[in-house]
Amino acid sequence: GAVVSQHPSWVICKSGTSVKIECRSLDFQATTMFWYRQFPKQSLMLMATSNEGSKATYEQGVEKDKFLINHASLTLSTLTVTSAHPEDSSFYICSASGGLNTGELFFGEGSRLTVL
Amino acid sequence: RKEVEQDPGPFNVPEGATVAFNCTYSNSASQSFFWYRQDCRKEPKLLMSVYSSGNEDGRFTAQLNRASQYISLLIRDSKLSDSATYLCVVISGGSYIPTFGRGTSLIVHP
Repeated sequence: GAVVSQHPSWVICKSGTSVKIECRSLDFQATTMFWYRQFPKQSLMLMATSNEGSKATYEQGVEKDKFLINHASLTLSTLTVTSAHPEDSSFYICSASGGLNTGELFFGEGSRLTVL
Repeated sequence: RKEVEQDPGPFNVPEGATVAFNCTYSNSASQSFFWYRQDCRKEPKLLMSVYSSGNEDGRFTAQLNRASQYISLLIRDSKLSDSATYLCVVISGGSYIPTFGRGTSLIVHP
């Protein structure tokens, strides 16, 4: 089946630094990718919808200047957490749709961010 | 009211038991429904789609009740390996944005 690769899987950084997470669709073209954040024992919360070649659509309450999303090609979307703080520590997961009508989502492995 | 609601559990059942989860959704225009399974610290993986007519895959049965706006997942003959969090996903017509429920935690014990 379709594969989405996400890295890094783990990242620890100092407060104030920026961290970039990459999400790649390996064997299909993903015009739309979704970025989620998941805190422990919580649901996946949609942060933004990333569309290839256009600006991302952010969910209410998500700061677009803090969470920079770039979807420059049909196989790559990146999420950059700028000036990270401890409260940004979370599990970030990307997903790509296999097609608007199928609805099936293919998930990256997730990236666990710890900000010290 | 949240768009997609699930009882977080945990559901603690012995091996061999039958267990059922429900997931309610608020948007009557929702079109597509799925159950995903998520193991601890891993990404969610598709368990099964939920069709209007219901569908079955081995020990797993999923059903959709549009009138009452909920989907269900039934697991028969529970195995230890079924222990996980089960997420329901609803996609509303038009936006095609998937909305996740909080997930229901299942613990199957010997």
